Formats: sequence, C-alpha cells, structure tokens
Amino acid sequence: GAGVSQSPSNKVTEKGKDVELRCDPISGHTALYWYRQSLGQGLEFLIYFQGNSAPDKSGLPSDRFSAERTGGSVSTLTIQRTQQEDSAVYLCASSPRDRVANTGELFFGEGSRLTVL
Amino acid sequence: AQSVAQPEDQVNVAEGNPLTVKCTYSVSGNPYLFWYVQYPNRGLQFLLKYITGDNLVKGSYGFEAEFNKSQTSFHLKKPSALVSDSALYFCAVRDPRGGGNKLTFGTGTQLKVEL
Repeated sequence: GAGVSQSPSNKVTEKGKDVELRCDPISGHTALYWYRQSLGQGLEFLIYFQGNSAPDKSGLPSDRFSAERTGGSVSTLTIQRTQQEDSAVYLCASSPRDRVANTGELFFGEGSRLTVL
Repeated sequence: AQSVAQPEDQVNVAEGNPLTVKCTYSVSGNPYLFWYVQYPNRGLQFLLKYITGDNLVKGSYGFEAEFNKSQTSFHLKKPSALVSDSALYFCAVRDPRGGGNKLTFGTGTQLKVEL
C-alpha cells in the first residue's frame, strides 16, 4: 500500500489476555518505530528497528511488552497479560534509512486503539 | 537526555487571526526539531523541520516555525488561522549525537480555530 498500515484498528480485550498488534511499513523503509499515545501523555517511544541492527528497546515499559520485525518488513507488537493501564493508541511509523539518519521525518500509520477492560 | 515541552494543552484562536503554538526543548547538542499534526482519528503527519541553516523554516499549509537557540524554543506559527487548522499539534526533538534515531515528542497542544 501507499502508507503505513496497522491492524487491528480497534481491539477490546479483557485484563490478563495477550494481544498482538501488527504494522506493515511503507515498502523499502528500513526504519520502523512503535509509539504509544495515551490521553494527556503525548507520544511515548517504545521501540525502534533499523535494518538488521539490534533494536532499541529502551522505551518498552515492562517485560510484558515485546516486538519483533520479520524479514525487515512487517512488525508485531505483543503485550502479554494486559492491564488496564495498557489502554492507549499504539502508533507505528516507518522511514527510509537515509531520511532517519539525516532528518528524522517519520511516516505514521493511523494506529491501533487498545482498550483493556 | 532529550526532552520537549509544550506548555499549553489547548490554544483557541479566531479564524483570520495569527496563531502561535509554543515548544521548548532540551538536548545536549544541536537539536533536530519537528512539528507534526494529528487530525481526528488519523495518524500523525509531518509538518516541518529544522535541521540547520535559517532559523525560520516554512512547512505545509502555510505554517512556519522559528528556531531560537538562546531561548531553546521552536514555536509554530501561522499568520492567518483557518478553521481547518483545528487539530492536535506535536513538537518533537532529536539529538543526533546523544539520542540516536529516536524522536522525543511533547504532550501535544490542541488547536481550536473558531469562526
């Protein structure tokens, strides 16, 4: 597709369940980011992938959160044993390598809204 | 560590009037600065950036921003606001030396332009 695609767009789950959120970046973009957007909290960095380099996981809030990127393209963010405070919009963004290195312009998807009951 | 502050949760302005959305930053080196806009139920869209050069940068939809190193600010401005400018605006900073490729965003400012 032309833009960053995220699925599902909405997810409602019960506390304690595991969820997976998917991101399909723009073709050819080597950099991929996950951010979390909570009301009044702005955007919180979670994790960054760049090509075959080790990901920057410094923003993951707990060991219940993990992410992988297979084949340098699609990424999955997994939240285990979800808690109510995990409710937020999870945004994925991608960028060409040179664009990131030189300017940091990111292309965002529309997000996955997660509600934990 | 890099950080950015947007001191106003909401800015209200009448259509046709100039608007300013404030942003201040903190980095250890020379910053890369960005503004993004988020329309309702949409992802963020890049608006403009400052990397180097002229302190006044121009972006999409008639927006501009001024980099002020002494005040560590990067306020977003537009000479004449439109109702369609109503959206959530985020300032972001990257420290290319100390922050890697991570962009740090502010908490956002809701801009409301009224007739």
